[in-house]
Amino acid sequence: EADIYQTPRYLVIGTGKKITLECSQTMGHDKMYWYQQDPGMELHLIHYSYGVNSTEKGDLSSESTVSRIRTEHFPLTLESARPSHTSQYLCASSDPKGAGGGYNEQFFGPGTRLTVL
Amino acid sequence: AQSVTQLGSHVSVSEGALVLLRCNYSSSVPPYLFWYVQYPNQGLQLLLKYTTGATLVKGINGFEAEFKKSETSFHLTKPSAHMSDAAEYFCAVKGPGRRALTFGSGTRLQVQP
Repeated sequence: EADIYQTPRYLVIGTGKKITLECSQTMGHDKMYWYQQDPGMELHLIHYSYGVNSTEKGDLSSESTVSRIRTEHFPLTLESARPSHTSQYLCASSDPKGAGGGYNEQFFGPGTRLTVL
Repeated sequence: AQSVTQLGSHVSVSEGALVLLRCNYSSSVPPYLFWYVQYPNQGLQLLLKYTTGATLVKGINGFEAEFKKSETSFHLTKPSAHMSDAAEYFCAVKGPGRRALTFGSGTRLQVQP
């Protein structure tokens, strides 16, 4: 079954640690996204990828970085986590040639809830 | 520029009552419009979308929405609320040339027994 996965689902770490949030999709989608969502707030785009080796910063400034070495994999890394990074991080993908029909319907993973102490 | 406004951060209805969640957008041209639902500790699931054609769109779980260009609105409705409808609902738009969806701030729906 085609899907989009995120690990870990929950992460509690101390300040200064390096972390990587994993995101993988089995749908062969070219476009992938990372959103940041604070409780009760809207989603803000922090990273975007058109395809392999193509990434861009999103609308909301973020100290995180991303890579896209394989189509199915879009990990997000924080080199030195801080309490201000505490949030929920949602990964999504879309494919204009696929079920979305070019309308950029996005498919979301379950999210990673990050807490930095 | 495009933006999405969801009126009412919290809506409470009784089980069996009509559900109405409001969404207005601003965009220079009619965008594509989406409603997503988010259950606690989960990602977003697409309820329905408007792209072109019929302005009344039917989605999953008995929800529907009507695109009204003159009012720049895309309100979500369901004739009869069920307890399982309790969740956070997000309206989103995709304008031409935009990389990704722009989301509203969400409306939390509570369903009272």
